[in-house]
Amino acid sequence: ETGVTQSPTHLIKTRGQQVTLRCSSQSGHNTVSWYQQALGQGPQFIFQYYREEENGRGNFPPRFSGLQFPNYSSELNVNALELDDSALYLCASSDRLAGGPRNEQFFGPGTRLTVL
Amino acid sequence: LAKTTQPISMDSYEGQEVNITCSHNNIATNDYITWYQQFPSQGPRFIIQGYKTKVTNEVASLFIPADRKSSTLSLPRVSLSDTAVYYCLVERNKLVFGAGTILRVKS
Repeated sequence: ETGVTQSPTHLIKTRGQQVTLRCSSQSGHNTVSWYQQALGQGPQFIFQYYREEENGRGNFPPRFSGLQFPNYSSELNVNALELDDSALYLCASSDRLAGGPRNEQFFGPGTRLTVL
Repeated sequence: LAKTTQPISMDSYEGQEVNITCSHNNIATNDYITWYQQFPSQGPRFIIQGYKTKVTNEVASLFIPADRKSSTLSLPRVSLSDTAVYYCLVERNKLVFGAGTILRVKS
């Protein structure tokens, strides 16, 4: 069983640029969530995708957008990068059809984005 | 969304039992309590989840009193490798992380 993978591992961009981060969900999982984790803080929920449709969004501006593909992999796109976007971006997958309350989310290792 | 409050940091020694308490005063009837562990430069990892009373797995125990306004994560006989940040979450569909508790285990 392959775990959650993310690419790239690290990325350096300049202010105003656009970035695309990628996530491959764990085999059999149909739901992907994205989180932003600033240094010294807990992960903050950006949005979640279930079967290619956005299924909830946190308090992030529209320049944060996403996609989920038929194979349940996902992309996070950030336009007009700002210095405060520098963070670890985490992707987590889960199986929404697993039933019950557990809904355990499996996290990838993250992409470290630095905006200069 | 229910907010959680937990200590910012805790120190322990190898072999000791560690208890981390979390308060969640406005937990809703349908909410479950979930704990995650995170090592530096890694994504969080699920530890344990419960609704009421006590839950135990191979890693930890979770104690939840009858009013469910708090919970305690118990880690038996910690080792240096248990040094990490521990997050308490009240879970519905979306995970809402607080700042977590930094646990430092010393030799």
